[in-house]
Amino acid sequence: QSVLTQPPSASGTPGQRVTISCSGSSSNIGSNYVYWYQQLPGTAPKLLIYTNNQRPSGVPDRFSGSKSGTSASLAISGLRSEDEADYYCAAWDDSLSGWVFGGGTKLTVL
Amino acid sequence: QLQLQESGPGLVKPSETLSLTCTVSGGSISSSTYYWGWIRQPPGKGLEWIGSIYYSGSTYYNPSLKSRVTISVDTSKNHFSLRLSSVTAAETAVYYCVRQEGGSPLGWFDPWGQGTLVTVSS
Repeated sequence: QSVLTQPPSASGTPGQRVTISCSGSSSNIGSNYVYWYQQLPGTAPKLLIYTNNQRPSGVPDRFSGSKSGTSASLAISGLRSEDEADYYCAAWDDSLSGWVFGGGTKLTVL
Repeated sequence: QLQLQESGPGLVKPSETLSLTCTVSGGSISSSTYYWGWIRQPPGKGLEWIGSIYYSGSTYYNPSLKSRVTISVDTSKNHFSLRLSSVTAAETAVYYCVRQEGGSPLGWFDPWGQGTLVTVSS
């Protein structure tokens, strides 16, 4: 059971916009930044979004992050086949004094 | 460009100690700007943070693993290491080393090493 809650799966067709949610509590998302990681099949995770809504250089602007209260979302617009991957949210938890992750969302491009 | 490379035994017996090293190339582990961490992922499952260390030796550990984990740093060799004692089969996982931005354990994980699979089995 992960501290942060994500839907196990999401899907969309090419060109569509999809969103992935991440729900937490006041001790993690509610008081700290949220980060998103993309894990392509058979590879290590890669930073996708940092400090709630910032994209590292090289990440397309099709990817965007947002946070409100104790929840966060990752949005992917103009869905492409290469976006098929697992997506994880993460945040520091003040009560645990450590990092917590969501269980991951497997995105399928139909 | 900074690169991280995990190394260590791929097979560990139950109840024994898992030991891994992460070698940093293309940058100094002694930089005040970064923490360094370990994260693991059991096959087909999600990510779990193990712990983080600063070049000075300051550490933060996952509370659920704290009694069995030691993370250390060797600045002369530009590497940091993980030791996890009394392992069980449930700790079979890909172990990743990461750099953490911002000189704080709250820094995000980027980049990641390629990961190394450690199997716990007799």
